[in-house]
Amino acid sequence: AQTVTQSQPEMSVQEAETVTLSCTYDTSESDYYLFWYKQPPSRQMILVIRQEAYKQQNATENRFSVNFQKAAKSFSLKISDSQLGDAAMYFCAYRSLPYNNNDMRFGAGTRLTVKP
Amino acid sequence: DAGVTQSPTHLIKTRGQQVTLRCSPISGHKSVSWYQQVLGQGPQFIFQYYEKEERGRGNFPDRFSARQFPNYSSELNVNALLLGDSALYLCASSFQANYGYTFGSGTRLTVV
Repeated sequence: AQTVTQSQPEMSVQEAETVTLSCTYDTSESDYYLFWYKQPPSRQMILVIRQEAYKQQNATENRFSVNFQKAAKSFSLKISDSQLGDAAMYFCAYRSLPYNNNDMRFGAGTRLTVKP
Repeated sequence: DAGVTQSPTHLIKTRGQQVTLRCSPISGHKSVSWYQQVLGQGPQFIFQYYEKEERGRGNFPDRFSARQFPNYSSELNVNALLLGDSALYLCASSFQANYGYTFGSGTRLTVV
C-alpha cells in the first residue's frame, strides 16, 4: 500500500520569505498523481498544486512550485513570497490511476505559520 | 458555481446511535469520495463511488456504509457510533482522477 510521509509537523516563515515543505511517499506504481492541499481553519481542503508522475517538468502555480524527484520518491512544495493568508495545514497526497483502487492517501500534514 | 456541499455542518450524537451525512458534488462530477479526518491527522479514505457504484473502500468497519444516488449526491451512514468516530467527515468530488478532488467543508461529528 502507498504511504505518504510529511516529516515536518510544524514550519514557520517570515512574511515575504520562501519556505519549503517536505513530502516523501512509497509506492510500487510507475504512474500516479501527487497533490498538495491546504486546509485553513475554515476546514475546507483547497487544492494548491498537482503533479502527474509521468511529467518530468515540475508543476508551478503562481507563488507555489514543487520539486518532484521521482526516483527519490520526493515531492516538496515551495512557497515563495509568503503571505499571511498562506498560514494553514498543508497536506501532501498521493492518488493512483483510475483503474486502481482510486483512493487518495494523505500525509499527516505540516502546520505552516507565517510571521508578519 | 456551487462547490461541494455537505450537511449538516455540525452534529452531536450519543454512543450507539446512528448518523447519516449528506454530500452534493459539483455539477458534472460523477465521482464522490468520503474521508474521515481525526483531529491532528490527515484524512483517511472511507469510500469512493463512481456512477453509483462503489469503486473503493478503506479500512473501516462494516458499521460504515454509503451510497450514491442517480443525481450523484451521496450519503454516508455510520451505525452503532463509538467515541472514536468523532471526527471531521469530508466529502470530495472529482471529474477525472488527474484533476484531484474538490472537497466540501465537512461535517464535524462529535460522539458523546
